[in-house]
Amino acid sequence: DVKVTQSSRYLVKRTGEKVFLECVQDMDHENMFWYRQDPGLGLRLIYFSYDVKMKEKGDIPEGYSVSREKKERFSLILESASTNQTSMYLCASRPRGTSGQETQYFGPGTRLLVL
Amino acid sequence: AQSVSQHNHHVILSEAASLELGCNYSYGGTVNLFWYVQYPGQHLQLLLKYFSGDPLVKGIKGFEAEFIKSKFSFNLRKPSVQWSDTAEYFCAVNASNDYKLSFGAGTTVTVRA
Repeated sequence: DVKVTQSSRYLVKRTGEKVFLECVQDMDHENMFWYRQDPGLGLRLIYFSYDVKMKEKGDIPEGYSVSREKKERFSLILESASTNQTSMYLCASRPRGTSGQETQYFGPGTRLLVL
Repeated sequence: AQSVSQHNHHVILSEAASLELGCNYSYGGTVNLFWYVQYPGQHLQLLLKYFSGDPLVKGIKGFEAEFIKSKFSFNLRKPSVQWSDTAEYFCAVNASNDYKLSFGAGTTVTVRA
């Protein structure tokens, strides 16, 4: 079974803090994703990494950055947390593919509250 | 870019009732279609997917979905729901050969015992 783990289930941070969300997958997947999930908006893609050190911006990258130094690990960084970044953050991974048919496997999510 | 519309925000059913969740997308080219489910406190997981062939796709836990190309729709169905089907359901679409999935807003399904 594919396993995607996220470092925290719940986080509470203060406005202006730098926040790190970590994601690890154990299936040697090349592609990894960070989404945020908000009620009524579904999942929105923040960043995508197609291989180590490679990244692409998603639909809502503002205020976020990412790091992928190792294949199994993909970090999301909130440079200076703001209250509008309070959300559920989901990490996903999938094997490399060109058809777009590959299943994405999701982690349990990190619920972040920024005060 | 694709957009995905799920018609119902919240559906409440009794056990043994039939379920149908609507999903429409806007994209003129070839697409891959997915339904994901998130049970309370659990990971988002794949229910079923369609990319070619028979437009009626069967997934896990008795779910099925039908792709109607002319209507740009991919509705999810289950003939008889159980209390354990209480969850949030997401439709997702990507253009063929694209990694990027567009998700609908989700439909919360509550099944009353």
